[in-house]
Amino acid sequence: KAGVTQTPRYLIKTRGQQVTLSCSPISGHRSVSWYQQTPGQGLQFLFEYFSETQRNKGNFPGRFSGRQFSNSRSEMNVSTLELGDSALYLCASSFGDENEKLFFGSGTQLSVL
Amino acid sequence: GEDVEQSLFLSVREGDSSVINCTYTDSSSTYLYWYKQEPGAGLQLLTYIFSNMDMKQDQRLTVLLNKKDKHLSLRIADTQTGDSAIYFCAESIRNYGQNFVFGPGTRLSVLP
Repeated sequence: KAGVTQTPRYLIKTRGQQVTLSCSPISGHRSVSWYQQTPGQGLQFLFEYFSETQRNKGNFPGRFSGRQFSNSRSEMNVSTLELGDSALYLCASSFGDENEKLFFGSGTQLSVL
Repeated sequence: GEDVEQSLFLSVREGDSSVINCTYTDSSSTYLYWYKQEPGAGLQLLTYIFSNMDMKQDQRLTVLLNKKDKHLSLRIADTQTGDSAIYFCAESIRNYGQNFVFGPGTRLSVLP
């Protein structure tokens, strides 16, 4: 069974640009969560989508947005990039139930120059 | 608010046991988890424990939970160089609008 797939693996952008990251969850999983990982802040929750609806949201500005498609694949968009957005962005999928375990992809390493 | 704390570094000799400790704040957490992250990779689920248990063993891994003190530990027996990684403790807190809260991670270095 294929794991969580994130594309692209690496991205280099400049300030002010926007970026879209993609995540394909494990087959059968309906929940997709996004996390930002930086050396200074650790792992911070961005948002969670379940059945095409945002179900939970972390404390990030509106420049960070996401969506989920009917096949459970999810995309995350960051607009007007800032230097501080440089991070590893991790996607995790689960069935979305109370008894849940998150399964992570390898992440997208975003560098903003 | 909810918070998970861990020591940041641990060094052990190959063959020794490693014990990584974690404290959490939300007593309503149903499950507590341990994840492992190797360089350049995502997080890999190692093991988890249900909050009404106080111990779980899985091969070389032993998880101990002290619910009264909100203390979780992960013991790795016969630690190998391949165990060198960052270990994250996490709790699931759906009611607070966020499903998982992760600790800062403990970097385990295994010395030959």
